[in-house]
Amino acid sequence: NAGVTQTPKFRVLKTGQSMTLLCAQDMNHEYMYWYRQDPGMGLRLIHYSVGEGTTAKGEVPDGYNVSRLKKQNFLLGLESAAPSQTSVYFCASAGLLNYNEQFFGPGTRLTVL
Amino acid sequence: AQKITQTQPGMFVQEKEAVTLDCTYDTSDPSYGLFWYKQPSSGEMIFLIYQGSYDQQNATEGRYSLNFQKARKSANLVISASQLGDSAMYFCAMREFGVTGGGNKLTFGTGTQLKVEL
Repeated sequence: NAGVTQTPKFRVLKTGQSMTLLCAQDMNHEYMYWYRQDPGMGLRLIHYSVGEGTTAKGEVPDGYNVSRLKKQNFLLGLESAAPSQTSVYFCASAGLLNYNEQFFGPGTRLTVL
Repeated sequence: AQKITQTQPGMFVQEKEAVTLDCTYDTSDPSYGLFWYKQPSSGEMIFLIYQGSYDQQNATEGRYSLNFQKARKSANLVISASQLGDSAMYFCAMREFGVTGGGNKLTFGTGTQLKVEL
């Protein structure tokens, strides 16, 4: 039981490049989330999903797209990376019944030059 | 207005002493939940404790307790008998059940960096 995993752990991009972050959970959770963490700003919600095939915008969605084609996976895409997207990205998931706890992945540190 | 406010960027406490980390929140939703997470230097987010807005008693989990004062809209985390391993960043978060769109989304505060000293 791996919980929530994120791929990759680190990435360096040049401005304008694209990439996809993968989040996978093996707990059969309905809810999945992408957050970004910046110094002094806590975690901010980018996008989230309440089930397979659904996505919704969070607090800071601009510049990102997401997809949830399979229940266990939640992908975060950056189509044209910008230095402002340098951050640590966390994925989280929560169950439908026991939604009082969000389980977090280990994070992805992304640097955009 | 900030939904979650943590006014202490950094705190120091001596080992074995208790420490209180402050958190105030702002919501008009009568149904909400409050959370505390710990983030050690390794970076992972660790769930500590949860308090529902209708819970009559303060939540406790081992050495962690949540001092919930609903009228003052505060949800302070109390760590008793601090240990060196408690040194970490601590985040307060809130979920508003009545927010349109559901999804059980969390809003986080900016965090408090706790340092436990010998």
